[in-house]
Amino acid sequence: DTAVSQTPKYLVTQMGNDKSIKCEQNLGHDTMYWYKQDSKKFLKIMFSYNNKELIINETVPNRFSPKSPDKAHLNLHINSLELGDSAVYFCASSPGTGNEKLFFGSGTQLSVL
Amino acid sequence: SQKIEQNSEALNIQEGKTATLTCNYTNYSPAYLQWYRQDPGRGPVFLLLIRENEKEKRKERLKVTFDTTLKQSLFHITASQPADSATYLCALQGASGYSTLTFGKGTMLLVSP
Repeated sequence: DTAVSQTPKYLVTQMGNDKSIKCEQNLGHDTMYWYKQDSKKFLKIMFSYNNKELIINETVPNRFSPKSPDKAHLNLHINSLELGDSAVYFCASSPGTGNEKLFFGSGTQLSVL
Repeated sequence: SQKIEQNSEALNIQEGKTATLTCNYTNYSPAYLQWYRQDPGRGPVFLLLIRENEKEKRKERLKVTFDTTLKQSLFHITASQPADSATYLCALQGASGYSTLTFGKGTMLLVSP
């Protein structure tokens, strides 16, 4: 069983569309994250949720809205997609908010045309 | 601003040799430093964590050093194998519980038979 799974693996869409990426972890972790990896391979934190509560919200456009229906799920909804949103989005989880290792999903490659 | 630097050029070595990757940082006083491995099309996978009061950590063929005076970590893979070929990311984190894990861009390692 995949520990952190995200869908879809690939997402190709037109500018201006709205799309969602889903993430689920079966590790029983309390904290989940969204990271963005751009074409230059920089992996940057976007959001972090602990027990369904938002705890980290980096300077991300408000077109990006995370939602955590329960602590095993963290979804990412993106409105009015722009060309610059093209990147690989990774979901991750960790046991708590302390200094622990992260478990990453395999990524969603988003291409905005 | 905080900066994490890893050699952007790929490191090419022969099988059996020791690979040494460098992570330098500035304007940062991390309490923890982690190393991850990332294969193409996959999410990063945790390898090792070292604390600021630890000089060295080992796990099987892997060794990490952490020099807070030089602001540098070295990551060694001894007896390298072609299967070790991947991108290796270092990541730093502060001491507070909600401190973000900040990643470097990574260094690609290519081990040839």
